[in-house]
Amino acid sequence: TQLLEQSPQFLSIQEGENLTVYCNSSSVFSSLQWYRQEPGEGPVLLVTVVTGGEVKKLKRLTFQFGDARKDSSLHITAAQPGDTGLYLCAGAKFTGNQFYFGTGTSLTVIP
Amino acid sequence: EAGVTQFPSHSVIEKGQTVTLRCDPISGHDNLYWYRRVMGKEIKFLLHFVKESKQDESGMPNNRFLAERTGGTYSTLKVQPAELEDSGVYFCASSQQRGRGKLFFGSGTQLSVL
Repeated sequence: TQLLEQSPQFLSIQEGENLTVYCNSSSVFSSLQWYRQEPGEGPVLLVTVVTGGEVKKLKRLTFQFGDARKDSSLHITAAQPGDTGLYLCAGAKFTGNQFYFGTGTSLTVIP
Repeated sequence: EAGVTQFPSHSVIEKGQTVTLRCDPISGHDNLYWYRRVMGKEIKFLLHFVKESKQDESGMPNNRFLAERTGGTYSTLKVQPAELEDSGVYFCASSQQRGRGKLFFGSGTQLSVL
């Protein structure tokens, strides 16, 4: 069974548009991370959120951790072609050291 | 500073053969993880080393998979004998800090079992 569900799976938008990617679960996580992966490369960490309700901003990217620590969202403002890639969320539980990954959202930003 | 390196980047083998994947973590990182992504599925945890000790191998699919990290430096993951369902991308990641620590991923090894 899939622990973390991401939506949408695929997203194709025009440069300059805004978008939101969702990461949902019925489980509670101690922390949640967002990664971006480009073809032929491994995932690269963008942000870690650790407190329920926490909001973090990274330039045009805004990350939010749900109050109940079960979900998260990634909002991109004025998307650029350089934002194209596979976005992955990954959650860590309160016990153990492994991360549970979502299936990813493939984003294409068209110039 | 060199990142996490994995070798080979691609491997194509026949069912029943043996393949060994290698991962060199970032120098000084005690924590080393193996993950796998099967096509169409999410990246899944295989196991976690702290130095040379296996901390958690709950994600290893079966006894055809053997991971080692002798000396606490590089790690190998051997699949013997390989089956069709073992195809996928195998990622290695390392971190200094356990738990909420930042994971640095390698580029992965694309394994194709024919």
